[in-house]
Amino acid sequence: NAGVMQNPRHLVRRRGQEARLRCSPMKGHSHVYWYRQLPEEGLKFMVYLQKENIIDESGMPKERFSAEFPKEGPSILRIQQVVRGDSAAYFCASSLETYEQYFGPGTRLTVT
Amino acid sequence: GEDVEQSLFLSVREGDSSVINCTYTDSSSTYLYWYKQEPGAGLQLLTYIFSNMDMKQDQRLTVLLNKKDKHLSLRIADTQTGDSAIYFCADPMDTGRRALTFGSGTRLQVQP
Repeated sequence: NAGVMQNPRHLVRRRGQEARLRCSPMKGHSHVYWYRQLPEEGLKFMVYLQKENIIDESGMPKERFSAEFPKEGPSILRIQQVVRGDSAAYFCASSLETYEQYFGPGTRLTVT
Repeated sequence: GEDVEQSLFLSVREGDSSVINCTYTDSSSTYLYWYKQEPGAGLQLLTYIFSNMDMKQDQRLTVLLNKKDKHLSLRIADTQTGDSAIYFCADPMDTGRRALTFGSGTRLQVQP
């Protein structure tokens, strides 16, 4: 049973470009979560989604960031007009109806 | 406010026990979690404890929960060099809420 998959593992973008991060949850998991980890810090919650619904986006910056989890396909975290401060590791997690969240390997975004 | 705190660093000798501590502010969570992160990797769910338990043992891992003092600890018996990693405690902060609030992580260094 494959774990949570994220791609790309590393992404380099210039300031002003768009970044698209993908997450495929574990098989059978319908709950997806995105977290951001700045260097030398813990993870900060961004958004929690179920299929076609955003359930909790209390940790999402109000501008430039959006997330979706369509009926078919992976969940996407989209960052428009990236800035240097967006450089971080972005982790996706998934869960069943229970609360245990299983994390992917992360996407390390570098903004130059 | 919502806060989960951990000490930043712990160094032990191989074969000794390690105790990683965590304090949290919200006491309404149903579960509390411990995750392990190795360099450049995602988070691995190590164990969790129900809030109505005082202790949980899982092989070399022992979790102790003191709800009165809002203190959580993870004890690793017979610590090995492969246990060197960053350990995070995580708290959903609110019953029914799925977003995890992470501590800043404790870096465990195991000396051979």
